[in-house]
Amino acid sequence: EDQVTQSPEALRLQEGESSSLNCSYTVSGLRGLFWYRQDPGKGPEFLFTLYSAGEEKEKERLKATLTKKESFLHITAPKPEDSATYLCAVPSTTLTFGSGTRLQVQP
Amino acid sequence: NAGVTQTPKFQVLKTGQSMTLQCAQDMNHNSMYWYRQDPGMGLRLIYYSASEGTTDKGEVPNGYNVSRLNKREFSLRLESAAPSQTSVYFCASSTSGGARQPQHFGDGTRLSIL
Repeated sequence: EDQVTQSPEALRLQEGESSSLNCSYTVSGLRGLFWYRQDPGKGPEFLFTLYSAGEEKEKERLKATLTKKESFLHITAPKPEDSATYLCAVPSTTLTFGSGTRLQVQP
Repeated sequence: NAGVTQTPKFQVLKTGQSMTLQCAQDMNHNSMYWYRQDPGMGLRLIYYSASEGTTDKGEVPNGYNVSRLNKREFSLRLESAAPSQTSVYFCASSTSGGARQPQHFGDGTRLSIL
């Protein structure tokens, strides 16, 4: 059974304090990995697709990386507007989602 | 761009009542999905429609039915609501049913069943 585990469950940072979120997975034959951002009261918003180990994608202060067993979402010099829940998902028959990391960035 | 639109945004039902959640997308996507999101459990797939005219069960289909009305619209029906179905329901769509295509989500329907 495909499984996706995200850590930490919650993370509180000061503005400008860089950190990383982790997404580890066990799937039979990785076919990529997705990162989403979810704001309170909203649906998940697509951020990145990573298709193969070694691939990296960047968007503003976010950088996603992928290895054969896990993915990291690096947040460089975060701002309060980066506060959200970040979800990762892996394709199997459909998409299997992790439970997310709730990020709070304090000014 | 509206993207994926869900109605209603909020609903309170009594146990045993029925209701239909509506979803429409304007991105000309072929595939559509219904998820529920519960605290600590992440998003779980209820049903999906890989293309117009087809529907398939996901991880948690019991107590639900779906209808792919046309390419744009995909509805979710609760025939006899139960308190365990209290959740936030999200509809999503993607260009195709291929697992490598990202899904795009609506803003959800918050459903409480008393």
